[in-house]
Amino acid sequence: NAGVTQTPKFQVLKTGQSMTLQCAQDMNHNSMYWYRQDPGMGLRLIYYSASEGTTDKGEVPNGYNVSRLNKREFSLRLESAAPSQTSVYFCASSELQVGDGYTFGSGTRLTVV
Amino acid sequence: DQQVKQNSPSLSVQEGRISILNCDYTNSMFDYFLWYKKYPAEGPTFLISISSIKDKNEDGRFTVFLNKSAKHLSLHIVPSQPGDSAVYFCAARAAGNKLTFGGGTRVLVKP
Repeated sequence: NAGVTQTPKFQVLKTGQSMTLQCAQDMNHNSMYWYRQDPGMGLRLIYYSASEGTTDKGEVPNGYNVSRLNKREFSLRLESAAPSQTSVYFCASSELQVGDGYTFGSGTRLTVV
Repeated sequence: DQQVKQNSPSLSVQEGRISILNCDYTNSMFDYFLWYKKYPAEGPTFLISISSIKDKNEDGRFTVFLNKSAKHLSLHIVPSQPGDSAVYFCAARAAGNKLTFGGGTRVLVKP
């Protein structure tokens, strides 16, 4: 099925460990996004990529890095995980100028202990 | 400073009645507003949107109203069904097609 695929679905890390969250979309969308969801905070934008080859910081970029590997793939890296990064992470994609919003993946639930 | 706020964290409604979800925003530069629905263990899915140049948009049981002078929008679900039980997020679009989300409202529709 067409859509946004995120891996892994669940992960437990120890403080200081690193990991990369993977995201791929098969809708030929130009733009991709990484959000985190925390209780009562809604979804907050970490990084986004308006088009292949570009990336920009969102609202909460500290502690994260991203790579737009090609048009399909946008990865999020935690270099040194902290308990404050315990969250559910969502990747999304969209066309640049469409009011229909984003298509989201099913999320990665990350726990940092 | 939250630019998009949903002040009601939860809402309970009887099946067949109207659900009204509210959302307030502060940034006058938002040009599009959207509602998303989210079930547990799934990603948010797009529900309905409205351009800032309109004051109402309807799609089946879902209607979104926009009051620009009050910087307020609402989502009406009529009639509410048990399958509507979910978390609803209000979102607003700024330049670069970036969406800013509210904190969400959990809706429970009782049979």
